[in-house]
Amino acid sequence: EAQVVESGGGLVQPGHSLRLSCSVSGLNFDNYVMSWFRQAPGKGLEWVGFIRSKGFGETTEYATSVRGRFTISRDDSERIAYLQMSRVEIEDSAVYYCARSGHGGSYYLPPRNFDHWGQGTLVTVSS
Amino acid sequence: DIQLTQSPSFLSASVGDRVTFTCRASQGIGTYLAWYQKKPGKAPKPVIFDASTLESGVPSRFSGSGSGTEFTLTISSLQPEDFATYYCQQVNSFPLTFGGGTKVEIK
Repeated sequence: EAQVVESGGGLVQPGHSLRLSCSVSGLNFDNYVMSWFRQAPGKGLEWVGFIRSKGFGETTEYATSVRGRFTISRDDSERIAYLQMSRVEIEDSAVYYCARSGHGGSYYLPPRNFDHWGQGTLVTVSS
Repeated sequence: DIQLTQSPSFLSASVGDRVTFTCRASQGIGTYLAWYQKKPGKAPKPVIFDASTLESGVPSRFSGSGSGTEFTLTISSLQPEDFATYYCQQVNSFPLTFGGGTKVEIK
């Protein structure tokens, strides 16, 4: 059974750090983009960023709101993608979702879809 | 950034109704558009990609159309499990962006 499972969420103080994990099983992992999205309470979906496969140098793309604060990485041997959140802000409070890409994607173009999603992990930023 | 505007924001409908909602892009995106279904507490469920290609396992009552700046998602006969919020997403360029969503409620 295909599974994408996020973990690592919780309560974190503003300015502090938190690392989320995304574990994939029952699916190909190595050759696919892994992306993070989020949904703040009462708000819509927002893309956070993604990491390409080793074949594309594990290069990353980020939303403007998190660039320079968040870092995405991956461990293909463990089939895990990570979201390192640093200098978190109140506005980073959200359910964070991990998703695997479906079709397409290159150095210049995003994947055309994200076809496997996790159930999400809640991050609350509060003092 | 490419802005996506979904309309209506809310739609009240009955089981069996045919419903259509729209996603407009602030600039042309070809057919690089996906649709997702979102229910509270659940993961987003992919519905459509490439503007009109049905994701695996999605019932044929869902269909998508459009290109350039105007896109539609149609549910031909609304079922109880279809009541949810639907988001469009452009994957034409960075940053990836979503529309504000259309919430489909039971009349």
